[in-house]
Amino acid sequence: EVQLVQSGAEVKKPGESLKISCKGSGYSFTSYWIGWVRQMPGKGLEWMGIIYPGDSDTRYSPSFQGQVTISADKSISTAYLQWSSLKASDTAMYYCATVGVGAPGGHFDYWGQGTLVTVSS
Amino acid sequence: DIQMTQSPSSLSASVGDRVTITCQASQDISNYLNWYQQKPGKAPKLLIYDASNLETGVPSRFSGSGSGTDFTFTISSLQPEDIATYYCQQYDNLQFTFGPGTKVDIK
Repeated sequence: EVQLVQSGAEVKKPGESLKISCKGSGYSFTSYWIGWVRQMPGKGLEWMGIIYPGDSDTRYSPSFQGQVTISADKSISTAYLQWSSLKASDTAMYYCATVGVGAPGGHFDYWGQGTLVTVSS
Repeated sequence: DIQMTQSPSSLSASVGDRVTITCQASQDISNYLNWYQQKPGKAPKLLIYDASNLETGVPSRFSGSGSGTDFTFTISSLQPEDIATYYCQQYDNLQFTFGPGTKVDIK
């Protein structure tokens, strides 16, 4: 069974750094892209970027390029999303999701449970 | 960037009604269009991929069609458990965009 398990909720202050994680299991972690999706409170889904854990090839949405860093550690089947200096506007739910595991294509077929990040002074 | 629009932004329908949502891309995306359902407090769930392929385990009352720039998502007979927000999503050359979503309620 394919599973993505994300790290727990975080409460941080503006200016602090943060790294959240997404651990994959039940499939070949290095063979499929993993994406990150932001959902601000009461708003829609926004694609942030994707990473191919096999070679760490990473692509970002223009809206998030330079704002976050996506990485992966294939030795522990875990993808990461990190910020160097959080802002209140980073308050959101963040989801990771696999791309095209069940069938080839650019669809997000397996999702993590989400990590709620709250940034407040 | 490819932009996605969806209409309507919200709708109310009765149980058993046929519900249709449209999604339009700002340029030709062939059939690289997917549909998701998101219930409050839950992660999104893939329903339809590549415009018309039903994801495994998804009820057959859900369907999708279209190609190029114009796509349609249909619930043939609305059920109470279908109350959710529905999103389209395109992919092109490893860049992805979600539509703004359509909130579906029971009348």
